[in-house]
Amino acid sequence: DTAVSQTPKYLVTQMGNDKSIKCEQNLGHDTMYWYKQDSKKFLKIMFSYNNKELIINETVPNRFSPKSPDKAHLNLHINSLELGDSAVYFCASSLAGLLDNEQFFGPGTRLTVL
Amino acid sequence: QQQVKQSPQSLIVQKGGIPIINCAYENTAFDYFPWYQQFPGKGPALLIAIRPDVSEKKEGRFTISFNKSAKQFSLHIMDSQPGDSATYFCAASRGSNYQLIWGAGTKLIIKP
Repeated sequence: DTAVSQTPKYLVTQMGNDKSIKCEQNLGHDTMYWYKQDSKKFLKIMFSYNNKELIINETVPNRFSPKSPDKAHLNLHINSLELGDSAVYFCASSLAGLLDNEQFFGPGTRLTVL
Repeated sequence: QQQVKQSPQSLIVQKGGIPIINCAYENTAFDYFPWYQQFPGKGPALLIAIRPDVSEKKEGRFTISFNKSAKQFSLHIMDSQPGDSATYFCAASRGSNYQLIWGAGTKLIIKP
């Protein structure tokens, strides 16, 4: 009965590789997000995706791209990985339009770029 | 104007004490102010939230105090326990805009 799930939980890879992180939610939400959390715990919104509207944080390099095959999934693709991409990546979801915009987070994917 | 400033960055309190974490915002259009709690190795989870039509909200040992004129809100934890040790984030959003603007987080340690 997992609400928001991510795979893999850990990802170790070499610089220059391309990798993907998958996210699925079974809450019936219509909005999904990707966050990056660095070693100082700062939460940075990367993307939000709602009803086919993609909002991109302008500071995110275009090596990062979200792909949503349907409302329950938002995958994150990263090309040409760099050392600075090492972080924990969180997927989240919410139901837009509610008065209380509660976001439900997945367990995170710890990405280590060597 | 979109920022939410959170302080302190870290906080150590003895068991039973009352840790207080503060947040300040500039955008007067913000109308939803949640606090999220994150344990090590887990994703953040909603702890408590408030709207600007009330000055205080309590849920169990957790209380949000809201000062609209000062554009500040704070989280108080009564009778704090070692199990409350976590990173706490404040956030804000505006109307039907589903994006949350996040504070930088406070690492709280409750000593036994």
